[in-house]
Amino acid sequence: KAGVTQTPRYLIKTRGQQVTLSCSPISGHRSVSWYQQTPGQGLQFLFEYFSETQRNKGNFPGRFSGRQFSNSRSEMNVSTLELGDSALYLCASSLGIGGGSTDTQYFGPGTRLTVL
Amino acid sequence: DQQVKQNSPSLSVQEGRISILNCDYTNSMFDYFLWYKKYPAEGPTFLISISSIKDKNEDGRFTVFLNKSAKHLSLHIVPSQPGDSAVYFCAASAFGALNSGYALNFGKGTSLLVTP
Repeated sequence: KAGVTQTPRYLIKTRGQQVTLSCSPISGHRSVSWYQQTPGQGLQFLFEYFSETQRNKGNFPGRFSGRQFSNSRSEMNVSTLELGDSALYLCASSLGIGGGSTDTQYFGPGTRLTVL
Repeated sequence: DQQVKQNSPSLSVQEGRISILNCDYTNSMFDYFLWYKKYPAEGPTFLISISSIKDKNEDGRFTVFLNKSAKHLSLHIVPSQPGDSAVYFCAASAFGALNSGYALNFGKGTSLLVTP
């Protein structure tokens, strides 16, 4: 079974631009979560989508948004990029049916975003 | 606020010996705990998990212990191997308790070095 895939793997943008990152979950997984990893803050939860609906949201500004499609693929968008948005953006997928040992989140390789 | 804490940023262990990685949490609503292993520029890889209704879970060389009264969990790796050298993240979620979808709360990681 193929793992979680994320595209692109690397991205360089300038301040003020916007960016869209894509995530394809493991086949059969309906929950997709997004995380930001930075050296100072570690791994922080952005949001989770399940069946095309945002089910949970972390403490990030409205510039960070996402969506999920009917095939469970997800995109996240960051508008008006700031230097501090430079980070590794990770996507994770799971069945999303109820938590616990049968519903572990599996991560993709991440997209490294650099904002100049 | 950091709800999951890994107070040891690094740990060095000799090959063949036991590695013990520790994690503390503050939110009593957490009901599911996981350990992930991460190499640079890659996404976290799931290692082992434990539900709050258990106090121990084993998978090969990896054992996770949960002490709910102390809000503490630990990961034991026996015997340690050089290939285990990586950053280990502790994570916790409250999926069942809050029924609000996934939001993994991560510690900042412990860098394990296993020397030959």
